Amino acid sequence: AQSVAQPEDQVNVAEGNPLTVKCTYSVSGNPYLFWYVQYPNRGLQFLLKYITGDNLVKGSYGFEAEFNKSQTSFHLKKPSALVSDSALYFCAVRDGSNTGKLIFGQGTTLQVKP
Amino acid sequence: IAGITQAPTSQILAAGRRMTLRCTQDMRHNAMYWYRQDLGLGLRLIHYSNTAGTTGKGEVPDGYSVSRANTDDFPLTLASAVPSQTSVYFCASSARQGTAYNEQFFGPGTRLTVL
Repeated sequence: AQSVAQPEDQVNVAEGNPLTVKCTYSVSGNPYLFWYVQYPNRGLQFLLKYITGDNLVKGSYGFEAEFNKSQTSFHLKKPSALVSDSALYFCAVRDGSNTGKLIFGQGTTLQVKP
Repeated sequence: IAGITQAPTSQILAAGRRMTLRCTQDMRHNAMYWYRQDLGLGLRLIHYSNTAGTTGKGEVPDGYSVSRANTDDFPLTLASAVPSQTSVYFCASSARQGTAYNEQFFGPGTRLTVL
């Protein structure tokens, strides 16, 4: 069965430092992977996706993610964190059926301190 | 502004009452979804619809029903609410191109409390 794991409940980083939010997945077939961000009391916003092609995917707000097939990972990265990046981040994978349903990880809270 | 709207924003409901959460999108997306978000559990799919006239069960469908009479609307109904249905509910939609689905767009959510 398809699944997604985000091993860290919270990530703390100082402003200006690089950040990484980890995600690993388990799918049968080719993975379709997504990252979303949720600010307090808001819906989820799409950041980026990997469908095929280049393993480094660039998305909104300066975020990027690296697809690693051998490690079944799709870690979210940003070279220089901003305080305004503080939010809840979700990794998701399409469930492999012909529907478009997503399976979400449990979420990682990113705290960027000034 | 194109997007997804949900109503109500929040609701406190007595157990046993019937409740319909509304969701409307104006992006003409084929597919729509209902999720619930609970602390520590991420988002779990309740029901989905690939196109108007069809619906399917997600991961946690019990106690919920949906309908998809047209492209734009996808209401979620709790026939007889129970306290375990206290959650934040998100509606989402995505475009379909052939057999591929694009990223999902989310509404602002409905915070439901069942007492």
